[in-house]
Amino acid sequence: GAGVSQTPSNKVTEKGKYVELRCDPISGHTALYWYRQSLGQGPEFLIYFQGTGAADDSGLPNDRFFAVRPEGSVSTLKIQRTERGDSAVYLCASSRDGAGNTEAFFGQGTRLTVV
Amino acid sequence: GNSVTQMEGPVTLSEEAFLTINCTYTATGYPSLFWYVQYPGEGLQLLLKATKADDKGSNKGFEATYRKETTSFHLEKGSVQVSDSAVYFCALSDVRRDYKLSFGAGTTVTVRA
Repeated sequence: GAGVSQTPSNKVTEKGKYVELRCDPISGHTALYWYRQSLGQGPEFLIYFQGTGAADDSGLPNDRFFAVRPEGSVSTLKIQRTERGDSAVYLCASSRDGAGNTEAFFGQGTRLTVV
Repeated sequence: GNSVTQMEGPVTLSEEAFLTINCTYTATGYPSLFWYVQYPGEGLQLLLKATKADDKGSNKGFEATYRKETTSFHLEKGSVQVSDSAVYFCALSDVRRDYKLSFGAGTTVTVRA
């Protein structure tokens, strides 16, 4: 596609449930990033993929969060046993490579609400 | 650790007014600095960047200069338009892991005709 696509755009789930958020990056981009943006805050880094592997998952807040990118393209962010504090906009971005000078293109995000 | 502090909003201006959004940072070494913009209903977009001290980034009439001595990267535009209404984020990249961005909290700018 022309840009980074994230689905769903909105997700409401009950506390304790499991959710999956999908990111479809720009074709050919080897680097993929997940960020989380809480209300009134800037995005916070969660995880970075280079190809299929998670090169840096230092931003994942705890072991309830996990992300995969099995074929080096689409990525899924998985959250187990959701908590109300997980409510935020989850942003995905991709870039041609992982170099800082290469522009990262962001999707519109998935707004997750845990009730 | 790395952090970015930017001017709190919201900011409301009239068309053709001068816009400044202050941004200061704390970082180890000399990170690259960025301004991202989020227009209503759209994803974050890179507006401009500067990769070393005294560099000036510019785009769409916006400018920002990387000031190492004051650890600042203030965004300016001389004459804003209604279409500049958006949320603006200052960000820096980690020196050792330059793919990793640290963002400020964002400043909402509304330009009235």
